Amino acid sequence: SQELEQSPQSLIVQEGKNLTINCTSSKTLYGLYWYKQKYGEGLIFLMMLQKGGEEKSHEKITAKLDEKKQQSSLHITASQPSHAGIYLCGAFLAGGTSYGKLTFGQGTILTVHP
Amino acid sequence: NAGVTQTPKFQVLKTGQSMTLQCAQDMNHNSMYWYRQDPGMGLRLIYYSASEGTTDKGEVPNGYNVSRLNKREFSLRLESAAPSQTSVYFCASSETGFTDTQYFGPGTRLTVL
Repeated sequence: SQELEQSPQSLIVQEGKNLTINCTSSKTLYGLYWYKQKYGEGLIFLMMLQKGGEEKSHEKITAKLDEKKQQSSLHITASQPSHAGIYLCGAFLAGGTSYGKLTFGQGTILTVHP
Repeated sequence: NAGVTQTPKFQVLKTGQSMTLQCAQDMNHNSMYWYRQDPGMGLRLIYYSASEGTTDKGEVPNGYNVSRLNKREFSLRLESAAPSQTSVYFCASSETGFTDTQYFGPGTRLTVL
């Protein structure tokens, strides 16, 4: 099983709708990163959260890290076709044995219909 | 700034052939990484280099070798390619290691027949 679980695995929404993607771990997260990937391209860094309860926003995307630092959510308000892509969460997990080892979730595929 | 660049973008190999994937960053970062991305598996770390002159194994190092040529460049070599190495390969860099943001290149799509 994945150390970092993302849900849902895929999401299809109508333009203008709000949506939420979750990233959950059984271990404490030290540094939680959200990336976006378009097909055939690299990962684009969106946001990083470190403190329990922290919330950050960029344009219409808001990310939160819960108080226990074991779950993060990514919320998109009034979705647009430009938001379509694969969203990945990555985190440094407590008990990790490798220097700089960023563990990734399996990704959430977002489709936005005009 | 170009950020992290990778060459080639696409490559098809036959089983047993060798090749080197190139990666360079212009952000003066100390740490560099190689990942592979497979469907349903997320990204997995192959090798990393915490600083110039050092390299270490990640989660899935078998069948690969790396060279940190200088501070800017980090290459990944497949000595004898196998179909199981068909994947998308990403290079990344960060200022230092632990909890620093990693910035990714555009990826190399490799198919081994």
